[in-house]
Amino acid sequence: AQSVTQPDIHITVSEGASLELRCNYSYGATPYLFWYVQSPGQGLQLLLKYFSGDTLVQGIKGFEAEFKRSQSSFNLRKPSVHWSDAAEYFCAVGAPNAGKSTFGDGTTLTVKP
Amino acid sequence: ETGVTQSPTHLIKTRGQQVTLRCSSQSGHNTVSWYQQALGQGPQFIFQYYREEENGRGNFPPRFSGLQFPNYSSELNVNALELDDSALYLCASSLSGIDGYTFGSGTRLTVV
Repeated sequence: AQSVTQPDIHITVSEGASLELRCNYSYGATPYLFWYVQSPGQGLQLLLKYFSGDTLVQGIKGFEAEFKRSQSSFNLRKPSVHWSDAAEYFCAVGAPNAGKSTFGDGTTLTVKP
Repeated sequence: ETGVTQSPTHLIKTRGQQVTLRCSSQSGHNTVSWYQQALGQGPQFIFQYYREEENGRGNFPPRFSGLQFPNYSSELNVNALELDDSALYLCASSLSGIDGYTFGSGTRLTVV
């Protein structure tokens, strides 16, 4: 069965500092991996996805993620965090048909001024 | 290009009642998925529709059912509501699921 673990429930960083959100997955075949962001009261917005090819994936809003098969990880990074990045972040794994994705329980990001 | 629209945004129902949630897909999208997101958790996959046929279902009982219409809009129906059905219900659409999904803002269902 597929599963996603986001080890950090809550992370606080200072504005301008770098960010890394962790994601570990379990999947029986080549995984299709996603990161989504959710602001309070809103739906999910796709930040980036990995299907194949280059293991370093660039997304929107200056985010990137690196797929490491040996570690079953797909960590999200941003070099310099902005106050507007405060939100909840979800990692997901699924088949090519991404509507059947399995999501982690999310990491809440707080940005200090 | 329109996004995914869900209605209503909020509603309150009594245990045992039935509820219908609606979703209008993004223009050009033929695949719709429904998710349940309980407070403090990630979304849980309920089911997916592709061209009006259900083509995948998560671990939800039969009292959760759905429809997709020729215009690719969709409904989620829940019968015999239970208190644990209180959650944010998210609809997501895609063109055949290839490039990821566009999510709506959700319907917040409270069962009392």
